[in-house]
Amino acid sequence: DQQVKQNSPSLSVQEGRISILNCDYTNSMFDYFLWYKKYPAEGPTFLISISSIKDKNEDGRFTVFLNKSAKHLSLHIVPSQPGDSAVYFCAARSAGGTYKYIFGTGTRLKVLA
Amino acid sequence: GAGVSQSPSNKVTEKGKDVELRCDPISGHTALYWYRQRLGQGLEFLIYFQGNSAPDKSGLPSDRFSAERTGESVSTLTIQRTQQEDSAVYLCASSPGLESSYEQYFGPGTRLTVT
Repeated sequence: DQQVKQNSPSLSVQEGRISILNCDYTNSMFDYFLWYKKYPAEGPTFLISISSIKDKNEDGRFTVFLNKSAKHLSLHIVPSQPGDSAVYFCAARSAGGTYKYIFGTGTRLKVLA
Repeated sequence: GAGVSQSPSNKVTEKGKDVELRCDPISGHTALYWYRQRLGQGLEFLIYFQGNSAPDKSGLPSDRFSAERTGESVSTLTIQRTQQEDSAVYLCASSPGLESSYEQYFGPGTRLTVT
């Protein structure tokens, strides 16, 4: 049962344009949602997060939107840069005693120069 | 400061052998996680340690997999009688373990190849 889904395995975007990465979830008990970025041969690094009580969080070029009614979140990167080319993972934290994280399968973003 | 370290970085083993993977978390982090990433797939949760609480082992795929943690420091993930489907990158992450501190810090991973 995949509780966190990233339905687009890959995405190509022109440099300077907006990149939109999507994530859907099924568990309404998740209290935090996070995005991680992963380069080859490295561990994922934290990018941005959003609490379940918010609908938007912005950090520089990165904005995360949360639509709780649709159980959907998205990461917007604008403007996209070639250095943003990586695999992006969406993750959700399950609250209630233990803090367990469920990750999506990732979306490979390629920003074309 | 020092991040999460994992050893070895690469391990090639023969089918049927046991392997032990090590994780050194960030000092002071009470929470420690193990994940597995098979080729072309996402991160699969394996096990989670939080302080002195009983670990959440719900992600371990079989009884060939086990993990231990010494206090709030080093953790080892042991795979007994390895199979080819165990080939993957094994990632360890740590976090402060507080409700308000949700970011995980990942190590570089151990790439396991079972031949």
